[in-house]
Amino acid sequence: GAGVSQSPSNKVTEKGKDVELRCDPISGHTALYWYRQSLGQGLEFLIYFQGNSAPDKSGLPSDRFSAERTGGSVSTLTIQRTQQEDSAVYLCASSLESGSRNEQFFGPGTRLTVL
Amino acid sequence: SQQGEEDPQALSIQEGENATMNCSYKTSINNLQWYRQNSGRGLVHLILIRSNEREKHSGRLRVTLDTSKKSSSLLITASRAADTASYFCATDADTGNQFYFGTGTSLTVIP
Repeated sequence: GAGVSQSPSNKVTEKGKDVELRCDPISGHTALYWYRQSLGQGLEFLIYFQGNSAPDKSGLPSDRFSAERTGGSVSTLTIQRTQQEDSAVYLCASSLESGSRNEQFFGPGTRLTVL
Repeated sequence: SQQGEEDPQALSIQEGENATMNCSYKTSINNLQWYRQNSGRGLVHLILIRSNEREKHSGRLRVTLDTSKKSSSLLITASRAADTASYFCATDADTGNQFYFGTGTSLTVIP
């Protein structure tokens, strides 16, 4: 595809349920990032993947959050036992390589609402 | 944390005027980037400035960086209604690959 895609675009779930959010990065991009954006706020870094290296999970807010990246391409962010404070837009971005000299390409995001 | 802070939080100007947004950060950086986010959309990269650069231009955009003050500014000249969006700066830490985004400046350009 031409850009980063994310699915679903919107997800409404009940408190306590598990959710999976998907990100398809741009083909050939080795770095992949997940961010969370609460209403009217900036982006909160969650996790970063670079090639086959161990991911940087330092931004995950709790052990209910996990992410994987299969085959160096598609990534899934899983939130277990969702809470109302998890409601936010979850953004995925990819870049050709790691490092802050590289432009990040963002997907449109998944809007998660936990009732 | 390194998270940048933009100011003002909100800015409203008339079409044709210039818009200036500022970003401050806390620790030394390698690079600083500016992004734009239209309502309900993902972020779009605008411009990158390296720590050894002081000014950079791209079309109607002018970015400055003052590492001694740990601040950057984004100037949009001759603004258009289509420039209405939120603008974020993103910094790295001196080490690592994390990006730290500010809380953004919401710009409204009135036609």
